[in-house]
Amino acid sequence: DTEVTQTPKHLVMGMTNKKSLKCEQHMGHRAMYWYKQKAKKPPELMFVYSYEKLSINESVPSRFSPECPNSSLLNLHLHALQPEDSALYLCASSLTGRLDTQYFGPGTRLTVL
Amino acid sequence: AQKITQTQPGMFVQEKEAVTLDCTYDTSDPSYGLFWYKQPSSGEMIFLIYQGSYDQQNATEGRYSLNFQKARKSANLVISASQLGDSAMYFCAMSHYGGATNKLIFGTGTLLAVQP
Repeated sequence: DTEVTQTPKHLVMGMTNKKSLKCEQHMGHRAMYWYKQKAKKPPELMFVYSYEKLSINESVPSRFSPECPNSSLLNLHLHALQPEDSALYLCASSLTGRLDTQYFGPGTRLTVL
Repeated sequence: AQKITQTQPGMFVQEKEAVTLDCTYDTSDPSYGLFWYKQPSSGEMIFLIYQGSYDQQNATEGRYSLNFQKARKSANLVISASQLGDSAMYFCAMSHYGGATNKLIFGTGTLLAVQP
């Protein structure tokens, strides 16, 4: 089983709202990732957690706040977003984070009004 | 610097025919991984195939095979016997060491349309 789940599938929020995206995997993977993907572009890495510790932050604005409460769960907290933050947000996981295959979830389509 | 290049923005193929999607890469790391992902219009990134830099043989997974030419730094995806469900965006990606964790960098993608 290589399933990564993400909720919600779609999210519409105003610029003053606070919302969270959730990602879950039960494959025993110890690395989890957040990507942002704009239309017709490749995914761009945002954050990486390795063994529940933040190991990579690709200079993402502080209005995006990641959290890894345990090895199976990854959250992305959103606050005061801008319309240009509207995108597909993809979560992925891999076994160790070292040259291993990343498995992606179905994504959350976010629209910021 | 590490880079992935996909030079075909779009491709057409007839159903049941084979198609090759091109990918070239650039890295100075001796150890790296090459991946192909499929992204249908629904948005999910589906892993297709992996090739490690030290693998001697080309990777195969069902109808997918990876034509790995290390000296030319190319990792082309071959899809045999195309099906209508193969219509999607295809991304080539490379994993390289980014500190504590490897990073995955993507090419710009090739949009494949399979025609009946």
